[in-house]
Amino acid sequence: DSGVTQTPKHLITATGQRVTLRCSPRSGDLSVYWYQQSLDQGLQFLIQYYNGEERAKGNILERFSAQQFPDLHSELNLSSLELGDSALYFCASSVETAINTEAFFGQGTRLTVV
Amino acid sequence: GENVEQHPSTLSVQEGDSAVIKCTYSDSASNYFPWYKQELGKRPQLIIDIRSNVGEKKDQRIAVTLNKTAKHFSLHITETQPEDSAVYFCAASRPGANNLFFGTGTRLTVIP
Repeated sequence: DSGVTQTPKHLITATGQRVTLRCSPRSGDLSVYWYQQSLDQGLQFLIQYYNGEERAKGNILERFSAQQFPDLHSELNLSSLELGDSALYFCASSVETAINTEAFFGQGTRLTVV
Repeated sequence: GENVEQHPSTLSVQEGDSAVIKCTYSDSASNYFPWYKQELGKRPQLIIDIRSNVGEKKDQRIAVTLNKTAKHFSLHITETQPEDSAVYFCAASRPGANNLFFGTGTRLTVIP
């Protein structure tokens, strides 16, 4: 157990819908990172938050947004869903803002858009 | 930004043989290079990492080497076992970076 909790584990929804994925980082970690992993693909960085503030953006679509709350949990919002958004979404946390140390991954949320 | 390339994409070895996975990076300022193992349907987990102030690091059957001049680093697994079968990802980050840049992954299959 990495200490990073993601909910839900599985999500099936229809095209055009909106979903929210939740991540609770390890105790003491201030940074949360979101990654997307499509079938048989690598890990694509989406966005990073540190102590409630957005710190870095990767290849995140405009239909996607995220935030980190005062209790440090983070949510990734995906809207106007398309079939191609089906993927495994991971969050990771680390103790420092510069991810120059181990990143601990959650178990992921498997999103299926039908 | 950083670009990490990883080869091969798939690798099959006989149990007991060695496996080598190679990665190259583009940003000479990168100084942290972790390797993650991802079993089917599970989360990536760190198995070993190396920083740019050393050239090699070992942990039992796993070793990582780094060549800063050539900007490449490699994962070596000796005496492979079936439980080593997984997807392995290399990654790189630079000081002050906000995220890890991952390679595309190598699917390792160890044949009993």
